[in-house]
Amino acid sequence: GAVVSQHPSWVICKSGTSVKIECRSLDFQATTMFWYRQFPKQSLMLMATSNEGSKATYEQGVEKDKFLINHASLTLSTLTVTSAHPEDSSFYICSARETSEFYEQYFGPGTRLTVT
Amino acid sequence: GQNIDQPTEMTATEGAIVQINCTYQTSGFNGLFWYQQHAGEAPTFLSYNVLDGLEEKGRFSSFLSRSKGYSYLLLKELQMKDSASYLCAVLDSNYQLIWGAGTKLIIKP
Repeated sequence: GAVVSQHPSWVICKSGTSVKIECRSLDFQATTMFWYRQFPKQSLMLMATSNEGSKATYEQGVEKDKFLINHASLTLSTLTVTSAHPEDSSFYICSARETSEFYEQYFGPGTRLTVT
Repeated sequence: GQNIDQPTEMTATEGAIVQINCTYQTSGFNGLFWYQQHAGEAPTFLSYNVLDGLEEKGRFSSFLSRSKGYSYLLLKELQMKDSASYLCAVLDSNYQLIWGAGTKLIIKP
């Protein structure tokens, strides 16, 4: 149980375009989902926390107008990178916390974004 | 501020034992996690400690001392597939995960 999927697993896009990444909890309800970014040889950096039905909470330094997060249901959250630039190229990972638990996060497999 | 420290890199020999340390200073404590992350993949859960003491799970064990703000992950009978980064993370008073930078473990034959 507790499986989280991400789609796509990798994407290449041109500078200036937008890319949407989906995160789904497959066999549980996730009140809270988290979006992370990870640059090569660095640790996870939390970008934002999203709760179902409400606006996401962004970490300091993360542009909310550039990284649009929607958490419309208990099983789906999306991250849209708008007007992508090469410096947005990174590994984006989502995680989900089950409604009834307050501690463990289940991670998706990640999405490798390359902006050319 | 909140801070989690762990060594950047460690090297060990196949079949041996290695201990990866983690010290933390956070606003509140609701448990400490260890995750394994292979290059290009998402982290996978290894252990969760919220009470002092040693938790053993197969070849992996995790220890916690809350009074010292200290934990370690112990890996026994090392295998080549254990080469990965090991991430220490603390759940703070807001149930937010605070991540360490990770320890890259290199296993040599």
